[in-house]
Order: sequence, then structure tokens, then C-alpha cells
Amino acid sequence: GAGVSQSPSNKVTEKGKDVELRCDPISGHTALYWYRQRLGQGLEFLIYFQGNSAPDKSGLPSDRFSAERTGGSVSTLTIQRTQQEDSAVYLCASSLVSVLAGTDTQYFGPGTRLTVL
Amino acid sequence: GEDVEQSLFLSVREGDSSVINCTYTDSSSTYLYWYKQEPGAGLQLLTYIFSNMDMKQDQRLTVLLNKKDKHLSLRIADTQTGDSAIYFCAEWGNTGKLIFGQGTTLQVKP
Repeated sequence: GAGVSQSPSNKVTEKGKDVELRCDPISGHTALYWYRQRLGQGLEFLIYFQGNSAPDKSGLPSDRFSAERTGGSVSTLTIQRTQQEDSAVYLCASSLVSVLAGTDTQYFGPGTRLTVL
Repeated sequence: GEDVEQSLFLSVREGDSSVINCTYTDSSSTYLYWYKQEPGAGLQLLTYIFSNMDMKQDQRLTVLLNKKDKHLSLRIADTQTGDSAIYFCAEWGNTGKLIFGQGTTLQVKP
């Protein structure tokens, strides 16, 4: 596709269940980023991938959160044993080259709205 | 740690200029960005400025940077109803991460 896509667009789950969020970056983009946006707050960096490796996982809120990327393309963010405070919009972005290139534009997907009841 | 602050809400009339302000704390910020988020859509990069510049103009958008005060502003000239959105300021420094503000909701009244 032409842009970054994410699925599902909306996810409602019960507390304690596991969820998987998917991101399809723009074809050929080597860097991929996950952010979390809580209601009324700014974006919170979670993790980024350079290719399939994640050099910086420091933004992941807890060990219930994990992410992987395979084939240098699709990424999944998994949240285990979801809690109500995990409710947020999870945004994915990709960029062509390196995360260290400040002018390398990050293209964002529309996000997945997660609601934990 | 790094922190980026913005006012939460701005309301203007169509045709007026809008000025959205942002302050940041990281003195090593190299690039500063403005993103626009429309309802139900992802973030769209509007413009960015390198830290050794103090002004950048792009059509109706003017970015002003006061590095001494760590203050960034986005001016939208002749604001239109289609400009209604949430505007995020973000900074990129040595951490290699984009640090975002909480966003300013711009309401444009006809």
C-alpha cells in the first residue's frame, strides 16, 4: 500500500486477556517505531526497530509489552494480561533509512484504538 | 529527562492567524518538528526546523525557534476550517527518539 497500515483499527478486550497489534510499514522502510497515545496526552515512545533488531526497548512500559519484526517488514506489538491503563491509541510509524537521521521523515499509520474493560 | 510542553487548546476565527507555542527542555535538541493529527488519522509531518535556524517559512506556515529560551512556535496564516486538528510539537536529540508534546487542539470557527 501507499502508507503505513495498522490492524485492527479498534480493539476492545477484557482485562487480563492478551492482544496483538499489527503494523505494516511502507515497503522498503528499514526503520519502524511504536508509540502510545493516551487520551489527552502526547505520544509516548515505546520501541523502534532498525531492520529486525530493536536496539532500544527502554520505552516499553512493563514486561507485559513485547514487540517483534520479521523479514524487515511487518511488526507486531503484543500486550499480555492487559490492564485498564493499557487503554490508548497505539501508533506505528516507519521511515526510509536510519532512526538517527533526524530529517528522515516518519510516516505514521492511523493507529489502533485499544480499550481494556 | 526530556520534556515538551504545549498549551492544550486554541480557538481562532477563520481568516485569522493561529500561533501554537511549545517549550522543550533538551538543550541538545537537533531537530524540532510540527505534526498535525486530524480525527481518525495518523500524524502528518507539517514541517521541521534545524536547531541552528531561527525561522522557517513554508507557504502559510511559519516556524520560529528561540533556542536560548527553548521555545518553538508555529504560525498558521489565514487559518481555514480545514486546519482544525491537533498539532504536536516534537523534538529529536541525542537519544534518537522523537519526544512529543501533549498536543494543542486548534478549533477554527467560521
